Amino acid sequence: AQSVTQLDSHVSVSEGTPVLLRCNYSSSYSPSLFWYVQHPNKGLQLLLKYTSAATLVKGINGFEAEFKKSETSFHLTKPSAHMSDAAEYFCVVSEDIYKLSFGAGTTVTVRA
Amino acid sequence: DTAVSQTPKYLVTQMGNDKSIKCEQNLGHDTMYWYKQDSKKFLKIMFSYNNKELIINETVPNRFSPKSPDKAHLNLHINSLELGDSAVYFCASSQVYTGVAGNSYEQYFGPGTRLTVT
Repeated sequence: AQSVTQLDSHVSVSEGTPVLLRCNYSSSYSPSLFWYVQHPNKGLQLLLKYTSAATLVKGINGFEAEFKKSETSFHLTKPSAHMSDAAEYFCVVSEDIYKLSFGAGTTVTVRA
Repeated sequence: DTAVSQTPKYLVTQMGNDKSIKCEQNLGHDTMYWYKQDSKKFLKIMFSYNNKELIINETVPNRFSPKSPDKAHLNLHINSLELGDSAVYFCASSQVYTGVAGNSYEQYFGPGTRLTVT
């Protein structure tokens, strides 16, 4: 069975400082992992994905994530937060295309 | 041109009514999904379809009946609506791509339909 735990329900950062969103996963197989972002009253947009290629994955808008199998983690980072990064972020694990399991989400607020 | 579209965007109705949400994707994907997002923002898969065939039904009450007339459309019909059905419903589509590193896929989401049952 697959599952994902986002370790922080809420992260608050100052504009220009780094952002770290933590995600641990559980899977019986070699899963695919994703990060999605949801801005208020919007749909979900893919930030980046890991599918057994390079363990350091670069995504859109300056985000990147590192897959660490030994720690079963897939943490999301950005070196410098922007006001437009304020949103809900979801870590997702999937063992096949038909079922994706979402984490509970992390709300990011950015202080001016 | 919108990749995954849903109609309506908002739906307000009374308990006991029947309603439908339509979803269309123009990406040529074989796989489509319905998700429910509750008031705490938690997203849970409801159904997965591949080329019009039901693949996954995540123990959704049978008041919910998805229908896929073709692989570009996956509609959701809900009978006898209850207060607990109030949520945002997202449609999504996906396709498997085979590359050097193996299979890859990602989901494209629609804008969501906010259903309010009073």
